[in-house]
Order: sequence, then C-alpha cells, then structure tokens
Amino acid sequence: AQSVTQPDIHITVSEGASLELRCNYSYGATPYLFWYVQSPGQGLQLLLKYFSGDTLVQGIKGFEAEFKRSQSSFNLRKPSVHWSDAAEYFCAVLGGNTPLVFGKGTRLSVIA
Amino acid sequence: ETGVTQSPTHLIKTRGQQVTLRCSSQSGHNTVSWYQQALGQGPQFIFQYYREEENGRGNFPPRFSGLQFPNYSSELNVNALELDDSALYLCASSLGTGGYGANVLTFGAGSRLTVL
Repeated sequence: AQSVTQPDIHITVSEGASLELRCNYSYGATPYLFWYVQSPGQGLQLLLKYFSGDTLVQGIKGFEAEFKRSQSSFNLRKPSVHWSDAAEYFCAVLGGNTPLVFGKGTRLSVIA
Repeated sequence: ETGVTQSPTHLIKTRGQQVTLRCSSQSGHNTVSWYQQALGQGPQFIFQYYREEENGRGNFPPRFSGLQFPNYSSELNVNALELDDSALYLCASSLGTGGYGANVLTFGAGSRLTVL
C-alpha cells in the first residue's frame, strides 16, 4: 500500500522568503500526487496535482511542485511567502485501486 | 457551481451515543468519500460511496456506516461513540467511475465531533 511522509511537522518562514515543503511517497509505480492546504477551521483546498507529463506542476496561489521519481519526492515550493499562506499543508498520494492517502501534514507559520 | 457542504459544523456527544453527519456533494459529482482527521494528523480514509453502494473501506470498525442517496448526498453514521472518535470528519466528492482513478477530490469544511 502506498504511504506519504512529510518530514517537517512545523516550519516557520519570514514573509517574502522562499518556501519548500518536503514530501516523500512510497508506491511501486508512478502515483498520482497532490498537495492540499487547510486553513484553520476550513476543509482541504487543492493546490496542485501531478498525474503525468511535465514533472514541474504549477498550482494556485503561486505554488509549484516537482515530481522526482528517483527520489520518490514531490516537494512543494513558493518563491515568496505571504502571511496569508500560514496554514497546514498536506501531501497525498493516489495509486492503483486504493484511496487517497495523506501525510501527517506540515504546519507553516509566517513571521513578519 | 456549489461546493461540498457538510452539517452540522460542530457537535458534542457523550460516549455511547450515536451521531449522523451529512454531506451534499458538489454539483455534477457522483462519488462521495469520508475521511476522519484526528487532531494533529492527516485525514484517514473511512469509506467511499458510488451509486449508493459502499465502494471501498478503510480500517474502521462496522460501527462506522454510511449511506448515499439518489441525489448523491451522503450520511456518515457512527454508533456507540468512543472518546477516540473525537475528530474532524471530512466529506469529499468527485466525479468517478467506481474506482479510485484519477479523481480529484473536492472537500467540504468538515464536521467537528467532540465525544465526552
């Protein structure tokens, strides 16, 4: 069965700084990969997804992620973080005939 | 298009009671999935409904049950509530074909259940 590891529980960045959130997955073939964001008291909003093709995918709110098969990774990046980006970020993997599996999430704090 | 709506948003129950959570899927979506998100954790898959039938189930006991109605809305029922059932319950809808294919899930805001 597939699994997702998000190594960083909590990250703090300064507003305007760049951001990279790490995600590693375990799955035997090429999976479908997702990043969701959850603001306090809210549900999950899809930031971006990778199904196939170009390994660098663009999402909403200026986010992008790169699929690296050799590293089993799908890291999320943003060149300049805004205070409104403070939230919980979840990486998720969908593979074969199994449901979407989420990582435990990374909480992002943004300081002035 | 309307998104996924869930009710109630918050509720408090006592151990041993039963609870029903409701979900209206996004317009045009025919598949509903339910997830449990405990505090500080990622969402865990409970089950999925497609064409009013349970189409897959995670590692949850039978006291977690569900329904899907002809209009694709859904209910999650939990019997004999335990303290560990306290969590945010998320409903997600998608346009599927009965499997877990390349379906993008659209989530609701969740129902937060507290069991005392």
